Amino acid sequence: DAGITQSPRHKVTETGTPVTLRCHQTENHRYMYWYRQDPGHGLRLIHYSYGVKDTDKGEVSDGYSVSRSKTEDFLLTLESATSSQTSVYFCAIKNRDSAGYTFGSGTRLTVV
Amino acid sequence: DAKTTQPTSMDCAEGRAANLPCNHSTISGNEYVYWYRQIHSQGPQYIIHGLKNNETNEMASLIITEDRKSSTLILPHATLRDTAVYYCIVREPMKTSYDKVIFGPGTSLSVIP
Repeated sequence: DAGITQSPRHKVTETGTPVTLRCHQTENHRYMYWYRQDPGHGLRLIHYSYGVKDTDKGEVSDGYSVSRSKTEDFLLTLESATSSQTSVYFCAIKNRDSAGYTFGSGTRLTVV
Repeated sequence: DAKTTQPTSMDCAEGRAANLPCNHSTISGNEYVYWYRQIHSQGPQYIIHGLKNNETNEMASLIITEDRKSSTLILPHATLRDTAVYYCIVREPMKTSYDKVIFGPGTSLSVIP
């Protein structure tokens, strides 16, 4: 695979606390993405990045921020976690060839 | 980017072919059709992609209509492990700017013993 690692794999946090999820890739891919997945909604794009310090909003960006200070890491921050942000979060990269995208294994976040 | 439409759910008997349709009537000339699947709790997995010719690999076959407005993913001998959500998306693979990848809700395929 494209060497994508998401951390943590599971996290429980309290409402109102900040949370940062990390996506790490080892193959110098330019494009990286954060999605959330909830029952009945499929995959929804939160933010994406097309290079170091170049990021843009997706479909459901409210309450989230991202940073990409180096190629290999794309961080997703929940500024003040709410129960509605309980979800499974997936990171993805765009492959260089035409074979599309590779996804990480996901982070299951529970906000209590 | 072109939008896709897929049925919400489908059933298929184990051992039979599963045919999953996708409509993409606004596809442009440079856009490929990609299929992914997501088995419960795992990240989506690439299956196959194509531009206009039919494609086959070890996982599936992809049939694209001549006008490219629709396609069908074929799992030739469905097994219980093929139970998953299948996503069809259209993308321009070498797009270099603002590649905002949107997935729809996909088709939930249930393979029945």
